[in-house]
Amino acid sequence: EAGVAQSPRYKIIEKRQSVAFWCNPISGHATLYWYQQILGQGPKLLIQFQNNGVVDDSQLPKDRFSAERLKGVDSTLKIQPAKLEDSAVYLCASRVGVNSPLHFGNGTRLTVT
Amino acid sequence: KQEVTQIPAALSVPEGENLVLNCSFTDSAIYNLQWFRQDPGKGLTSLLLIQSSQREQTSGRLNASLDKSSGRSTLYIAASQPGDSATYLCAVLNAGNMLTFGGGTRLMVKP
Repeated sequence: EAGVAQSPRYKIIEKRQSVAFWCNPISGHATLYWYQQILGQGPKLLIQFQNNGVVDDSQLPKDRFSAERLKGVDSTLKIQPAKLEDSAVYLCASRVGVNSPLHFGNGTRLTVT
Repeated sequence: KQEVTQIPAALSVPEGENLVLNCSFTDSAIYNLQWFRQDPGKGLTSLLLIQSSQREQTSGRLNASLDKSSGRSTLYIAASQPGDSATYLCAVLNAGNMLTFGGGTRLMVKP
């Protein structure tokens, strides 16, 4: 079974620039999550999709972050404009259902200078 | 709001020791609890998933227990090896598919 694919692996941008991350979950996984992980901390949920609908985006800074999963498969997360404090690893995860394990991609490491 | 705490934040042990990592959560109304391993610069790898109706799960040298009523889970690693060095995270799933992570325990196993 192919894992969760994320790209790019690394991205360096200047503050106020825009950036987009892409995630392709494991085939058949209806639930998709985007997490932000700051160095030394556990992952923090940004947004959760069930198929192509948003289940929870309460912790997404909507003034600068947006995410979509138009066809209920792959997803993109965008930051516009970026701030220094957005420097983190952005992780995508997916699962089949509530009682199944969560699978993570390798993440995108973002550095904002 | 669910809060998940992992103690200790960091742990260093000599090779061969048996060790226990702790995870506590404030809201006992959970669906399941999952333990993950994270290597530097990598995503999270699932180790064990315990459903709310289960008390423990085992995989090789790993054993995870769950005491829902007291809001605790432990991850037991037998005969630790240098390759076990990583950060270990627990995550709790509540109603509404809300998944909350602990801050992790950074484990170093010295040869």
